[in-house]
Amino acid sequence: NAGVTQTPKFQVLKTGQSMTLQCAQDMNHEYMSWYRQDPGMGLRLIHYSVGAGITDQGEVPNGYNVSRSTTEDFPLRLLSAAPSQTSVYFCASSAYEYQETQYFGPGTRLLVL
Amino acid sequence: AQSVSQHNHHVILSEAASLELGCNYSYGGTVNLFWYVQYPGQHLQLLLKYFSGDPLVKGIKGFEAEFIKSKFSFNLRKPSVQWSDTAEYFCAVRTGNQFYFGTGTSLTVIP
Repeated sequence: NAGVTQTPKFQVLKTGQSMTLQCAQDMNHEYMSWYRQDPGMGLRLIHYSVGAGITDQGEVPNGYNVSRSTTEDFPLRLLSAAPSQTSVYFCASSAYEYQETQYFGPGTRLLVL
Repeated sequence: AQSVSQHNHHVILSEAASLELGCNYSYGGTVNLFWYVQYPGQHLQLLLKYFSGDPLVKGIKGFEAEFIKSKFSFNLRKPSVQWSDTAEYFCAVRTGNQFYFGTGTSLTVIP
């Protein structure tokens, strides 16, 4: 049971490049989410999904796309990276039941030059 | 928009000192409340959570938190901190499908 995994661990992009951050969980969790963590800002929710085929926007969705074709995977896409997207990105998952806890992945550090 | 405020940005304590970290939220409806910890170089881990019932919640590693509905607060406490408690602590609120995190409090415990 690997929990929540994220790849890559580190990435450097140039402005305008695109990339996909991968997130997978093996706990059969319905709820998955993406956060960005910035100094002094805490974690902010980007997008979330309550099940395969269902996604919705969080607090800071601009510049990011998501899809959920399977229960296990929830990739985050940056179509045209900007320096403002330099951050640490965390994926999390939980069972959908109301009292369930979110489990976080190890994070992806992204630097956009 | 909902907000979660953590008033202490950086706290420095000596071992065995008592700890209290403040957390206030702005949402007036039903909320679930959490405290997460992030040790250096690690990902976030759950310390404790509150959903309903007894407003005094006990978590792992001797931490506890008290939910005071009238004050919209969920403060974290520990009677005696250890060097290994050095970490960043985040308060979080869940409303519906969305989670809101505070900006975090960095705790440094001096041996």
